[in-house]
Amino acid sequence: GESVGLHLPTLSVQEGDNSIINCAYSNSASDYFIWYKQESGKGPQFIIDIRSNMDKRQGQRVTVLLNKTVKHLSLQIAATQPGDSAVYFCAERGGYQKVTFGTGTKLQVIP
Amino acid sequence: EAQVTQNPRYLITVTGKKLTVTCSQNMNHEYMSWYRQDPGLGLRQIYYSMNVEVTDKGDVPEGYKVSRKEKRNFPLILESPSPNQTSLYFCASSLSLTGGAEAFFGQGTRLTVV
Repeated sequence: GESVGLHLPTLSVQEGDNSIINCAYSNSASDYFIWYKQESGKGPQFIIDIRSNMDKRQGQRVTVLLNKTVKHLSLQIAATQPGDSAVYFCAERGGYQKVTFGTGTKLQVIP
Repeated sequence: EAQVTQNPRYLITVTGKKLTVTCSQNMNHEYMSWYRQDPGLGLRQIYYSMNVEVTDKGDVPEGYKVSRKEKRNFPLILESPSPNQTSLYFCASSLSLTGGAEAFFGQGTRLTVV
């Protein structure tokens, strides 16, 4: 929704450049991670996922990197477009299948 | 088209007046859940359901009820809404939590309790 973007860290990127959005997760036992995109006024939308037995996974224009040593997840968006402007947040699945969401990063694409 | 449908999209109500937010999915998903989203706090799970007649509390269940009488529907009930329940609510469904399938979210319901 409109207020989701308030109080969030913001990443401003020039159109055509690559974007890197970072996420630190808390549970070393988490086995599954997801990146979501949330546009203003809409519900979160799945982008890409990765299991804990992988370090990297690529999709169309997006790549997720997982560093379990430092509990860090990143989302790379290649050739960022205005339509990529949104709030991005990661989610981790930990014990008892519980999914925990991060608070998100707002991506602003400058035309 | 695969989708999760919530109604209403916007709702303003008064303290104490019972309300229900409906959620329906057409994907035959087993797992459904409700979240609230507040600025600076991210998505917090209210309740979830692993299948028909199976529901469980999430992180912030106080003041909410749910039911899962049919696979496709998962209504959220606020018996006596209070102003601190003013929030943006999302319903989500996924094929199976253990299968790692991504969640499909509804469009959201913005609730204001005055």
